[in-house]
Amino acid sequence: DAMVIQNPRYQVTQFGKPVTLSCSQTLNHNVMYWYQQKSSQAPKLLFHYYDKDFNNEADTPDNFQSRRPNTSFCFLDIRSPGLGDAAMYLCATSRDSLGSSYEQYFGPGTRLTVT
Amino acid sequence: AQSVAQPEDQVNVAEGNPLTVKCTYSVSGNPYLFWYVQYPNRGLQFLLKYITGDNLVKGSYGFEAEFNKSQTSFHLKKPSALVSDSALYFCAVRDIGTNAGKSTFGDGTTLTVKP
Repeated sequence: DAMVIQNPRYQVTQFGKPVTLSCSQTLNHNVMYWYQQKSSQAPKLLFHYYDKDFNNEADTPDNFQSRRPNTSFCFLDIRSPGLGDAAMYLCATSRDSLGSSYEQYFGPGTRLTVT
Repeated sequence: AQSVAQPEDQVNVAEGNPLTVKCTYSVSGNPYLFWYVQYPNRGLQFLLKYITGDNLVKGSYGFEAEFNKSQTSFHLKKPSALVSDSALYFCAVRDIGTNAGKSTFGDGTTLTVKP
């Protein structure tokens, strides 16, 4: 039973052509995260939603934006993908409240290729 | 501020031998500590966590980790390695005092178990 679902698993886009990656969860977790991961490096946090509050990392390029229309869904929009944006994009969720244990649940990732 | 270090990029062990993957952390308050595993082209998978209580925590697939406050370490261990344990392992830390929902990940350690 998939708990964090990412679509598509593989995405090919052209240089400069906007692309949207989607994430959905069945865990009813209040926090959702987007990470970028390149070549078996540590996942790099782009931003996260704590409930409805959007938290952008200071070094996340303006080219990356996110939407969370409801608890279950979160989207990553890349407005003008460059070659350097080719990576695995990971969505994760966690329950973050008093008494929680805070571990993150990750989706399988979307591998983005920019041509 | 919170940080985590995984001093070894690679760990190689023979099947059946014990394994240790090292992790040290730094937080200003008390830590929540996590280990995740990542198989090729997959998202991260939660293995185990230390929140409070016993310093030795047990997790999935026979893994365990020992929290050592004086050495600020949380090393991952397994008594008898399997070839299927070969993967990329990430340690993560979260300062209990923060409520922003963020963990900091180490750079990862590639574990290779040889038959």
